[in-house]
Amino acid sequence: AQSVAQPEDQVNVAEGNPLTVKCTYSVSGNPYLFWYVQYPNRGLQFLLKYITGDNLVKGSYGFEAEFNKSQTSFHLKKPSALVSDSALYFCAVRDLTGGGNKLTFGTGTQLKVEL
Amino acid sequence: KAGVTQTPRYLIKTRGQQVTLSCSPISGHRSVSWYQQTPGQGLQFLFEYFSETQRNKGNFPGRFSGRQFSNSRSEMNVSTLELGDSALYLCASSLEGLAGDRSSYNEQFFGPGTRLTVL
Repeated sequence: AQSVAQPEDQVNVAEGNPLTVKCTYSVSGNPYLFWYVQYPNRGLQFLLKYITGDNLVKGSYGFEAEFNKSQTSFHLKKPSALVSDSALYFCAVRDLTGGGNKLTFGTGTQLKVEL
Repeated sequence: KAGVTQTPRYLIKTRGQQVTLSCSPISGHRSVSWYQQTPGQGLQFLFEYFSETQRNKGNFPGRFSGRQFSNSRSEMNVSTLELGDSALYLCASSLEGLAGDRSSYNEQFFGPGTRLTVL
């Protein structure tokens, strides 16, 4: 079965500093990985995806993610954090078992950016 | 394009009742998936519909069911509600092709969710 793990429940960072939200994956075959963000009382917003190609993926709102096959990781990064980046971040993998379009999510990481 | 819409946004029901939630996908999207989000279990996949057919199903009891109409709009139904069904139910749509077509592995776009409270 496909799965992702987010080892940190919460990440705190000062505004202007770089941020990293960690994600590791476990899949059989090629991984198809996604990052989503959720603001309070809202649905999930798509940030970026890795399907194939370059290991550095650029996404929305200045976020990027680095795909590392040897470490089975897909960490989300941003060079300079904003207070408005404070939200709940989810890593997800497309689960190909059974066919169709199913995402398996990590447990989420609460990002808090402070002044 | 308009985003994914879900109705109603909030719902309060009592144990034993049934509920129907509705989802309108982004125009042109044929794949609609449903997820349940709770503080304890996180985000869990319920089922996916593609061209009116259920293509994938998560590990939920038969009380949870869904369907998709010819215009790709989808509904999910929960019968005999239990307290544990209280959750945020999220619908997502994607511009999806045939299963196994890697070139069409597109992101899912989520609606704002329906907050269901079971008393």
